[in-house]
Amino acid sequence: EEQLVESGGGLVHPGGSLRLSCAASGFTFSRYWMHWVRQVPGKGLLWVSRLNEDGSRTDYADSVRGRFTISRDNAKDTLYLQMNSLTVEDTAIYYCARDVSGADDSWGQGTQVTVSS
Amino acid sequence: VLTQSPLSLPVTPGEPASISCRSSESLLHNRGHFSLHWYLQKPGQSPHLLIYSASNRPSGVPDRFGGSGSGTDFTLKISRVEAEDVGVYYCMQALEPPYTFGQGTRLEI
Repeated sequence: EEQLVESGGGLVHPGGSLRLSCAASGFTFSRYWMHWVRQVPGKGLLWVSRLNEDGSRTDYADSVRGRFTISRDNAKDTLYLQMNSLTVEDTAIYYCARDVSGADDSWGQGTQVTVSS
Repeated sequence: VLTQSPLSLPVTPGEPASISCRSSESLLHNRGHFSLHWYLQKPGQSPHLLIYSASNRPSGVPDRFGGSGSGTDFTLKISRVEAEDVGVYYCMQALEPPYTFGQGTRLEI
């Protein structure tokens, strides 16, 4: 069964850091672009970042560029999101997603990040 | 910018439903397809893809869901709404990063 399982979320103070992980299984992870998308509970979706198959190309939303870093370890079938200088506006559910907008599009169940003092 | 309408859509099971998504610029990709996609987020679940590239259904999506449109105007149609179709529908453009979503349309029975 193909799965994406996020972890690493939690409560952090403003200015703090967190690293999210997304463990992939049941498919060939290294063949896909991978993405992070976030959602404030009860609100809309915001695309955060993407990374190509070998990790050589990254793109970010303006609101996170310079603070967040997406990366992957294809040997471990894992996607990461390093989040620094967090603000309350970064509070959201963070989803890991494969091949967004493609025929093999698939999302994880998300991990909650709460930034609060 | 993607603008969806309506934002709320009350429907009766068995009846058709339609959601519009308008873009502020053409979504024609240089590979010849329109990079406009539709997602459904059911209550308590993560979003899943209903339609990609304006009119294509991924494997497993029921054929009562259909997408159409070109340029800047796109439509998602449900031929006969079922109770399990409740949730929030989003259009998304993936022409180039940053990808953006519409505001969402809440479909209610």
